Amino acid sequence: QKEVEQNSGPLSVPEGAIASLNCTYSDRVSQSFFWYRQYSGKSPELIMSIYSNGDKEDGRFTAQLNKASQYVSLLIRDSQPSDSATYLCAVNRPANAGGTSYGKLTFGQGTILTVHP
Amino acid sequence: DAGVTQSPTHLIKTRGQHVTLRCSPISGHKSVSWYQQVLGQGPQFIFQYYEKEERGRGNFPDRFSARQFPNYSSELNVNALLLGDSALYLCASSPVTGVWETQYFGPGTRLLVL
Repeated sequence: QKEVEQNSGPLSVPEGAIASLNCTYSDRVSQSFFWYRQYSGKSPELIMSIYSNGDKEDGRFTAQLNKASQYVSLLIRDSQPSDSATYLCAVNRPANAGGTSYGKLTFGQGTILTVHP
Repeated sequence: DAGVTQSPTHLIKTRGQHVTLRCSPISGHKSVSWYQQVLGQGPQFIFQYYEKEERGRGNFPDRFSARQFPNYSSELNVNALLLGDSALYLCASSPVTGVWETQYFGPGTRLLVL
């Protein structure tokens, strides 16, 4: 089982629709959760972070977290063609190496979203 | 404020060669992490450094090494390059290390090994 899994894409939605992106994680000690957007040929750009159960809204984006179900989602309302990109789910959990701890960020494989006019 | 910067942007090497990639974190950030992203996959964790010490290492061979300097910039070194090392190498910085920290990515270095 992969540590972080995202719904297989690609996902295609019409302009103005709601795009729903899903992510599950396997390690219950995971503490913080992130959604990054990556345009083709570019580096990941942070969209949202979420730390506690429930919804977090930022403009057209809503992140949802359910730690009991080990599930994170991202909703994009009023999708625009400029939202077309790969969306990466990332999970930060404690890790230990040689007696010191650090936050280890683990990514899913990404979901390609295409918003067509 | 400047974001994370990386150099070079692109690099072409041949098998068996050595490569050094460089990263400067956001001003005030003391933690730097390195990731490898091959086409069609999410970034894979290679190293994390905090206050010039290695805090964590991913599942990569010993050909990969890194270090962090007193000004918190960092280098990633890869020896004896293989074709499979062709990837986008990403550097990310955060103020400190920990499970609550958000990591901000630089533009990446695209490495092609021939």
